[in-house]
Amino acid sequence: EAQVTQNPRYLITVTGKKLTVTCSQNMNHEYMSWYRQDPGLGLRQIYYSMNVEVTDKGDVPEGYKVSRKEKRNFPLILESPSPNQTSLYFCASSFGTSGSNEQYFGPGTRLTVT
Amino acid sequence: GQQLNQSPQSMFIQEGEDVSMNCTSSSIFNTWLWYKQDPGEGPVLLIALYKAGELTSNGRLTAQFGITRKDSFLNISASIPSDVGIYFCAGRSSGTYKYIFGTGTRLKVLA
Repeated sequence: EAQVTQNPRYLITVTGKKLTVTCSQNMNHEYMSWYRQDPGLGLRQIYYSMNVEVTDKGDVPEGYKVSRKEKRNFPLILESPSPNQTSLYFCASSFGTSGSNEQYFGPGTRLTVT
Repeated sequence: GQQLNQSPQSMFIQEGEDVSMNCTSSSIFNTWLWYKQDPGEGPVLLIALYKAGELTSNGRLTAQFGITRKDSFLNISASIPSDVGIYFCAGRSSGTYKYIFGTGTRLKVLA
C-alpha cells in the first residue's frame, strides 16, 4: 500500500531533550516536506527536500533540522525542543521536484514539549 | 511568514445545500491546491489547479483558479454528512518550491 508513515504518532517530552520524528514513504517520491499545524494558523511549511541531499527552508524553519540521506526517509530533528514547538506535525511527499503534483500526507505526529 | 486569507472560517449548513469557500493571496500563484482534513488524519488532496481561469471538478466538488492568479474558489454541491471536515487551500508561486496554506474552513453539515 502506497503511504507516508510517521513515528512516533504521539510524543511528550521536556524542554531541551533532543528528539527525532521519522518520516518514510514507499512511493519513490522525489519531493518531501514537513509541516506544522497549529489552531487558527493552518499548516506552515518547516522544511522541504527536492531530492536526496537537497533541502531548503520553508516558512518556519527556526529550531528544526532535517536530513535527506535516502530518497524514502526525511527525518525532522529538534535539537533543543521548546514549548512553542508543541504542535501537530505532518510529513508529505509527492512526485517531481516541484511538488506540484499530489502531495500525500502522513497521519501526523502530535508533539507536546513541557 | 505569508498566510493565505481563507474564508469563511467555519460554516454550518443543512444537508443538501451547496457550499462555497475561497482563498485570496497578496502574491501571484501558479499552483492552487484544495485539501480536506478529517479529524485525526492528514490532509487529502481534492483538486489541483495549474492555470489561471481553470475550472476543475471532482464529483460534487468544483474549484477555480482565479483569473488574477491571486485567488481560488471551492464549491461543494448537494452537501452530505461525510463532507464534514476542515478544507484547506494551498498555493505555490513560480520559482519556488514552498507551499503556503490557508487557515482552513471548518464545515459542519446538519442532517
